[in-house]
Amino acid sequence: AQRVTQPEKLLSVFKGAPVELKCNYSYSGSPELFWYVQYSRQRLQLLLRHISRESIKGFTADLNKGETSFHLKKPFAQEEDSAMYYCALSGIGAGSYQLTFGKGTKLSVIP
Amino acid sequence: EAGVAQSPRYKIIEKRQSVAFWCNPISGHATLYWYQQILGQGPKLLIQFQNNGVVDDSQLPKDRFSAERLKGVDSTLKIQPAKLEDSAVYLCASSFGGSSYNEQFFGPGTRLTVL
Repeated sequence: AQRVTQPEKLLSVFKGAPVELKCNYSYSGSPELFWYVQYSRQRLQLLLRHISRESIKGFTADLNKGETSFHLKKPFAQEEDSAMYYCALSGIGAGSYQLTFGKGTKLSVIP
Repeated sequence: EAGVAQSPRYKIIEKRQSVAFWCNPISGHATLYWYQQILGQGPKLLIQFQNNGVVDDSQLPKDRFSAERLKGVDSTLKIQPAKLEDSAVYLCASSFGGSSYNEQFFGPGTRLTVL
């Protein structure tokens, strides 16, 4: 079984402060991890995936297989980063790749 | 390009009634997904189609939920009869293929309230 845990429901930071959204996973195989974001009144959309090893909107995430974590980080938060963030794991389910989402963390950036 | 379309956007019904949701994926996307997102939770996959065939429906409550994608394009998700616990946002997503490398694009969702 695959499981994704996001321990924080809500994270509030001041503008310009560093941000770290935590994500831990459980999966017996080799996982593929993603971060999805949902801005207010917008659709759920892909932010980044670990395999790309890229920085999107200043965010980065490193897969740590030893700690089974995939935390999302940004050195300096901006007001426009306020949104709902979901960590997701892609693994083989009932014969196909399944995306399993965490419960999400609401990031609020205080001006 | 146009995104994933869903209708209706909102629906309020009483328990034991029936309801249907419609999804039109991005043109050319072979894979279509239906997710259920209960308040305070992340999306949960209900069913995945590859063209007009079901790839995975292991988490679909088949005693009351059904879905079809007859011509490999549009899809309909039906609940009959609805229960209070079915209140949720129903998200449709599509991707070019079914592998984990294919980005899923989500629709705006249908918010269902069961009274």
